[in-house]
Amino acid sequence: QQQVKQSPQSLIVQKGGISIINCAYENTAFDYFPWYQQFPGKGPALLIAIRPDVSEKKEGRFTISFNKSAKQFSLHIMDSQPGDSATYFCAASYGNTGGFKTIFGAGTRLFVKA
Amino acid sequence: GAVVSQHPSRVICKSGTSVKIECRSLDFQATTMFWYRQFPKQSLMLMATSNEGSKATYEQGVEKDKFLINHASLTLSTLTVTSAHPEDSSFYICSAKRQMNTEAFFGQGTRLTVV
Repeated sequence: QQQVKQSPQSLIVQKGGISIINCAYENTAFDYFPWYQQFPGKGPALLIAIRPDVSEKKEGRFTISFNKSAKQFSLHIMDSQPGDSATYFCAASYGNTGGFKTIFGAGTRLFVKA
Repeated sequence: GAVVSQHPSRVICKSGTSVKIECRSLDFQATTMFWYRQFPKQSLMLMATSNEGSKATYEQGVEKDKFLINHASLTLSTLTVTSAHPEDSSFYICSAKRQMNTEAFFGQGTRLTVV
């Protein structure tokens, strides 16, 4: 119930194309869904995040689509660039009396071909 | 704003020695800090959560006597890997969050190699 399932494991996209990464969760207690970008040897950096009361959020070329009833959310990278090549992690967070917790997906390695 | 600095970025130590990793929030007070471990090409696995001034909460399977966490101030948490062995070699990452704020900010990670 604590898992966040992420797919695909790896993704190759042509420059200018759309990269789509999907995630699904089970625990309805999650109330914050961030996406992180990680380059080799670096810590994750927050890319964009959404709360379940919103179905879509767009920031520049990055869009999160959120389907609360299906318990799924996805990241769309428009006009993908070689510089977007990195590992992307979706995550789901909740805060409760026991504290705050973030569960990460397994990650998607994106390669954008020039 | 919201910068988290981790030090050192890389460390090599001999088997049996202890290593301390620092995590600092540079421009905000972090009431909660998290320590993660990441193996190559894998996801981040939460090791423990620490709140300033109290004992850390360890995830199941994480040896608290081996991975000592101290969160003595609102801007500093440390992770000490005691009696390190080669299997402890990994990428360790911290993150920090403000009170009443959901977003957590990550440090740049520490690559630990135990030889």
